[in-house]
Amino acid sequence: KAGVTQTPRYLIKTRGQQVTLSCSPISGHRSVSWYQQTPGQGLQFLFEYFSETQRNKGNFPGRFSGRQFSNSRSEMNVSTLELGDSALYLCASSYGQETQYFGPGTRLLVL
Amino acid sequence: AQTVTQSQPEMSVQEAETVTLSCTYDTSENNYYLFWYKQPPSRQMILVIRQEAYKQQNATENRFSVNFQKAAKSFSLKISDSQLGDTAMYFCAFMKHSGGTSYGKLTFGQGTILTVHP
Repeated sequence: KAGVTQTPRYLIKTRGQQVTLSCSPISGHRSVSWYQQTPGQGLQFLFEYFSETQRNKGNFPGRFSGRQFSNSRSEMNVSTLELGDSALYLCASSYGQETQYFGPGTRLLVL
Repeated sequence: AQTVTQSQPEMSVQEAETVTLSCTYDTSENNYYLFWYKQPPSRQMILVIRQEAYKQQNATENRFSVNFQKAAKSFSLKISDSQLGDTAMYFCAFMKHSGGTSYGKLTFGQGTILTVHP
């Protein structure tokens, strides 16, 4: 089975712009979770989607949003980018709600 | 809220030797999962091992094993016969077993950088 894929792998944006990141889960996995990784804050949970429904959300501002499609692919969007949004964004998929398998991440740099 | 603490920011070990990484966690839950993930320089997060809290037997995956002490809320990772490819950041992570606010949420420790020297 193919692993979790994320696109794009690298992204450079400027403050105030918006960005959309994409995640394709392992075939058959219906749950997709998103995490932000920064040197200062470590790994923080953003949100989780299952069957096109957001079931859980971390403590991030409303500028961070996401969605999931009927094929379980997920996107996350960050609007009005700030310098502090520079991070590695990881998505993970799981079949049930336990073991998560991660994608390679999208590295976002906000200038 | 759950917290996960890794008290060793960095560790080093010689190739072929054994090293143990520490992790403690705080929770009022009785049913949960614990994980160790490794993140090599490529930044790809790779599952190393998983432990269900209801299982008393410690999980083992080839050279990797855990020492799970539920009462002490301790979950250490032992790497035997260390290899150069084990060089990575290691994260301990917690997930509640039940649904609701636990859905899809891993709580991570700060990580331990492990360097394996030839």
